[in-house]
Amino acid sequence: GAVVSQHPSWVICKSGTSVKIECRSLDFQATTMFWYRQFPKQSLMLMATSNEGSKATYEQGVEKDKFLINHASLTLSTLTVTSAHPEDSSFYICSASGGKGARNTEAFFGQGTRLTVV
Amino acid sequence: AQKITQTQPGMFVQEKEAVTLDCTYDTSDQSYGLFWYKQPSSGEMIFLIYQGSYDEQNATEGRYSLNFQKARKSANLVISASQLGDSAMYFCAMREEQPPNAGGTSYGKLTFGQGTILTVHP
Repeated sequence: GAVVSQHPSWVICKSGTSVKIECRSLDFQATTMFWYRQFPKQSLMLMATSNEGSKATYEQGVEKDKFLINHASLTLSTLTVTSAHPEDSSFYICSASGGKGARNTEAFFGQGTRLTVV
Repeated sequence: AQKITQTQPGMFVQEKEAVTLDCTYDTSDQSYGLFWYKQPSSGEMIFLIYQGSYDEQNATEGRYSLNFQKARKSANLVISASQLGDSAMYFCAMREEQPPNAGGTSYGKLTFGQGTILTVHP
């Protein structure tokens, strides 16, 4: 099946710095990508929908100025956590859909990024 | 709006036995898809099985089967012959989709349930 690659898999950063997480679709063009956030032993919560060539759509309660999303090409979406604080420590995971021959049954996930802000 | 409910925070099963993980949903969409994912401690989301709302037959994938009861809005996952490696967090999810005869594909967002931690005992 199609592969979605997310990088880095884990990152530790200092409070106040920014961190960029990349999500790539390796063998298909993803018209839409989704960014989720997951706290330990909890569910995945959608943060935003990233559409190639247009502004991301953020879910209610998600600060768009803090979580910057860029989907500049059909194979890459980035999530930048700006001015990170310890409460931003979480597991971030992306999902991609789309591509020639893609079926309704397919929703591909990256490996996830574990962010720790110290 | 869509809502997924998994009422079992944790489940235990003996190796080689079958186990059912419950999932109920609520939606006003006429066409939708239901998914089950496995999430081991590494965090990756492993796709297990899919059921379209228009599918008349219950989905099966190897040891996984989905007990789809549309009228009751339930989509329980049945794992047969449990293995130690099945121990993980399991999520039920759904998304709105285009009907099968619409000719297009659906790339909507997934809404997840709370998850069930499955522990398989030797």
